[in-house]
Amino acid sequence: DTEVTQTPKHLVMGMTNKKSLKCEQHMGHRAMYWYKQKAKKPPELMFVYSYEKLSINESVPSRFSPECPNSSLLNLHLHALQPEDSALYLCASSQTFGEAIFGSGTRLTVV
Amino acid sequence: AQSVTQLDSQVPVFEEAPVELRCNYSSSVSVYLFWYVQYPNQGLQLLLKYLSGSTLVKGINGFEAEFNKSQTSFHLRKPSVHISDTAEYFCAVSDRRDSSYKLIFGSGTRLLVRP
Repeated sequence: DTEVTQTPKHLVMGMTNKKSLKCEQHMGHRAMYWYKQKAKKPPELMFVYSYEKLSINESVPSRFSPECPNSSLLNLHLHALQPEDSALYLCASSQTFGEAIFGSGTRLTVV
Repeated sequence: AQSVTQLDSQVPVFEEAPVELRCNYSSSVSVYLFWYVQYPNQGLQLLLKYLSGSTLVKGINGFEAEFNKSQTSFHLRKPSVHISDTAEYFCAVSDRRDSSYKLIFGSGTRLLVRP
């Protein structure tokens, strides 16, 4: 299995909702990432988990809360988002040197 | 911190013509470089990587890139493009912070292949 699987593929949520994005990999990679990508822009790093511990938080607002339950799973909990948070959210995993395998993303729309 | 620059925001080219997408990186003692492709409404797919060794790197879909240390460049090339190569291409460099690596992306180049 050489894939990173993200669910759901699309999500529409209101500003008062709570939702979660899920990511799974079975390649034994030790690092997992959340990126945010706005239209026509490169991905921007949000969080890095290394060996199931949060190692990098790129000053992301607290309405985004990451969680790594085990070495194969990564969640991103969303609460009280703003319309400007609408974007493609990409999960990735890596074994070494940052060479990342990306999932197909979750297209999030906040209404 | 590491950085990469992609000078061309869009590159139009005719089908079966050669193409080069340019990428320059900030100088460093050791550098790990990558090219990713993104098709519409999809995630990023790794095309090729330079970690060490041979400066000419071959990747998937007929793409190759050359690592040039003196010019701090890592340009992506394909001798003959297809319509299906139309996509966004990102150059990326790996940056190490503490014990973790993260990818830093260039602004992207849209390759538009015309019939």
